[in-house]
Amino acid sequence: RKEVEQDPGPFNVPEGATVAFNCTYSNSASQSFFWYRQDCRKEPKLLMSVYSSGNEDGRFTAQLNRASQYISLLIRDSKLSDSATYLCVVNVGGATNKLIFGTGTLLAVQP
Amino acid sequence: EAQVTQNPRYLITVTGKKLTVTCSQNMNHEYMSWYRQDPGLGLRQIYYSMNVEVTDKGDVPEGYKVSRKEKRNFPLILESPSPNQTSLYFCASSLWAGGAGANVLTFGAGSRLTVL
Repeated sequence: RKEVEQDPGPFNVPEGATVAFNCTYSNSASQSFFWYRQDCRKEPKLLMSVYSSGNEDGRFTAQLNRASQYISLLIRDSKLSDSATYLCVVNVGGATNKLIFGTGTLLAVQP
Repeated sequence: EAQVTQNPRYLITVTGKKLTVTCSQNMNHEYMSWYRQDPGLGLRQIYYSMNVEVTDKGDVPEGYKVSRKEKRNFPLILESPSPNQTSLYFCASSLWAGGAGANVLTFGAGSRLTVL
């Protein structure tokens, strides 16, 4: 089982749609969680950190369920510019606070 | 502008010809790391450095070397490249490695390497 698993997609949605991605992680000792966005052939960039209480940044909402070991990202009112790959990233802790990256979920927002 | 700079951005080379990919950050970050990204495998860590003169292996270190003589620079060395090292490489840095809020990585733009 992969340490961090994501549905690779692609998710093809129309503009204005609401779309949700889930990510599961296997290490129950994982300490912190993030969503990164990666545009085609570009570097990943931090989208948002994920807190236990859930957090929202504009159209984006991230939630963490420690009991079930999954993280979610909800995007409301999708824009064409949201088209990208979304990477789930988990800090599995330990002396070096190692990050494990999921393989990403591809979102394509259609006009 | 705060950034991580990698060079070269694109390189085609032949098997066995030593090459170095440079990485430099101007944010006084302690932690630096190299990743490779391959289709279906995601980002995998090659080597990382917690600070000057402190480096350690990641998940896929075979065939690579690194050094951290200065805080800002973290070059990746391929002593004898092979075709299975054809990949997209990213250097990244973060302020520090410790603590739950520390792992916010800033990535370089990537270096696409092809080994023939």
